[in-house]
Amino acid sequence: EAQVTQNPRYLITVTGKKLTVTCSQNMNHEYMSWYRQDPGLGLRQIYYSMNVEVTDKGDVPEGYKVSRKEKRNFPLILESPSPNQTSLYFCASRLQGTNEKLFFGSGTQLSVL
Amino acid sequence: QKEVEQNSGPLSVPEGAIASLNCTYSDRGSQSFFWYRQYSGKSPELIMSIYSNGDKEDGRFTAQLNKASQYVSLLIRDSQPSDSATYLCALSNYGGATNKLIFGTGTLLAVQP
Repeated sequence: EAQVTQNPRYLITVTGKKLTVTCSQNMNHEYMSWYRQDPGLGLRQIYYSMNVEVTDKGDVPEGYKVSRKEKRNFPLILESPSPNQTSLYFCASRLQGTNEKLFFGSGTQLSVL
Repeated sequence: QKEVEQNSGPLSVPEGAIASLNCTYSDRGSQSFFWYRQYSGKSPELIMSIYSNGDKEDGRFTAQLNKASQYVSLLIRDSQPSDSATYLCALSNYGGATNKLIFGTGTLLAVQP
């Protein structure tokens, strides 16, 4: 089944404790992206990647890191999480074409205490 | 001015009625327009895409695009309780540097049985 897999689904952590949210897709998509969703602010792009070893900042990259060492994986790293990073996170992927459908993972609800 | 504006709702319609969801945008260079449906606690799911002025129909859904007036709308005919969800308007301008989808904050639709 074609899908984007995110883990974990729920995560509670404390300020400053490094964490990684994994994202993997099995559709051979070139483009992958991370979004965060907050009430009243909608979906905002954190980082995106056009292909292996090619990443770039989105609208809200501060406090996040990403890497794209393999085409299928695009982990999101929070080196020192803070409470303002409490949010619902989505990974997404698509083919490289301009009108291609964006496939979303099931989301990660992160709480930073 | 927000890049993509939607009324947050809730928009309440009776079962069987037509639900009309609207979205305005500020970037005249926007090329592709999408409607995503998001059930509470779930990931967004693409339901319609439209790229040229006019109407595009798919089953009970009709997307309408007017680039001169910078608005895109979604009509849902014969609304069902299962249509109750948040509808996200999104657009892209892949000629720009960021190569991203920009999402509105969504309109909550409630279909009353």
